Amino acid sequence: QTVVTQEPSLTVSPGGTVTLTCASSTGAVTSGCFGNWFQQKPGQAPRPVIYSTTNKHSWTPARFSGSLLGGKAVLTLSGVQPEDESDFYCLLFCGGTWVFGGGTRLTVL
Amino acid sequence: QVQLVQSGAEVKKPGASVKLSCKASGYTLTDYYMHWVRQAPGQGLEWMGLLRPSGDSTKYAQKFQGRVTMTRDTSTSTFYMELSSLRSDDTAVYYCGREKYGGYYDYWGQGTLLIVSS
Repeated sequence: QTVVTQEPSLTVSPGGTVTLTCASSTGAVTSGCFGNWFQQKPGQAPRPVIYSTTNKHSWTPARFSGSLLGGKAVLTLSGVQPEDESDFYCLLFCGGTWVFGGGTRLTVL
Repeated sequence: QVQLVQSGAEVKKPGASVKLSCKASGYTLTDYYMHWVRQAPGQGLEWMGLLRPSGDSTKYAQKFQGRVTMTRDTSTSTFYMELSSLRSDDTAVYYCGREKYGGYYDYWGQGTLLIVSS
């Protein structure tokens, strides 16, 4: 059973840069894992912000970017805004099935 | 515009079954997969399974095999997710979301709260 691991929580100052990572128990995350990142605020449905590892939706803030680094999928937020405080989930297809990570709670403080 | 509108909240007793719906509009159903995901109170997202664009093929997470059925009614553009043998830990918000092959997830439903309680 594939396990996808994220940092449980991260804190960043407004205007700062933060990196969220997403690892798979199957091994290195590649573009073939079709990594997606979702942002979720309290009481709301998750909203996809990155698809297929690096691609942004039309609604994705320009300060969000996705990449692969060190065998993990990475979501980088540059110039963090207070409204970025939320839960972030990655979703991978590394092991032949889709699996969510446990989520990262991002605090902007 | 694309919309996925899910059915209203449900309260079920343990052992019962529930069939949740997700009405799609604004796009061609046969171009997209439909996924179902759930989120228990205070917990993370959990992928449950998908219905392929053909509408006659599914893939379920191992955890739900034998207990979940995902279908589609093309005449009403409505997707269904039926979960049987309900337990209290099935209490969650259930979401439908579409994906174009290659991991392009975009539109999601607003979610349906299912409460399983005796």
